[in-house]
Amino acid sequence: SQKIEQNSEALNIQEGKTATLTCNYTNYSPAYLQWYRQDPGRGPVFLLLIRENEKEKRKERLKVTFDTTLKQSLFHITASQPADSATYLCALDGNQFYFGTGTSLTVIP
Amino acid sequence: DTGVSQNPRHKITKRGQNVTFRCDPISEHNRLYWYRQTLGQGPEFLTYFQNEAQLEKSRLLSDRFSAERPKGSFSTLEIQRTEQGDSAMYLCASSQWTFEGGQPQHFGDGTRLSIL
Repeated sequence: SQKIEQNSEALNIQEGKTATLTCNYTNYSPAYLQWYRQDPGRGPVFLLLIRENEKEKRKERLKVTFDTTLKQSLFHITASQPADSATYLCALDGNQFYFGTGTSLTVIP
Repeated sequence: DTGVSQNPRHKITKRGQNVTFRCDPISEHNRLYWYRQTLGQGPEFLTYFQNEAQLEKSRLLSDRFSAERPKGSFSTLEIQRTEQGDSAMYLCASSQWTFEGGQPQHFGDGTRLSIL
């Protein structure tokens, strides 16, 4: 079955720094990978999608990379702000939709 | 775009009772998904619909769980004979699927179920 692993530990960074979150997957070769943000008590919110033929995707302060050889995606938030504090989830689409366990990010002012 | 709506937001019930949740997706979306999420975990896929057809159901889903999407609009998720382990957040999402794939899912804020 599909297995998706994200940073197991919570990530604390100083405001203004770049946060880097990892997503590793096994047993599958997805055509694309998605990243979502989730705040406590709320449903996930879509952020970015990257397809297998794309190495990198950017949206404002967000950047996602996708290495299908390593079976890994990296999610970067540059110039981080306290408002970026949340849990970030990566997700793959197969015959089902698989989410990782999420990485909790705290940006310290 | 009024977003995905889920009702109720919270449900507290005694073990052994049946519960039903409702999800109203974004109106033009043809796909609807149900997930379960427990604390510290990502959403776990339960089932999804393409219009009114239920196309996939997780093998982890016991026979106590059933979902419907009559007329391809709103959906209901029923849990019969609830157990303590059913306590979780139940999330619904919708998307407009195309052959290109990768369309983002739009989530509701979930129904939190607590089993006493």
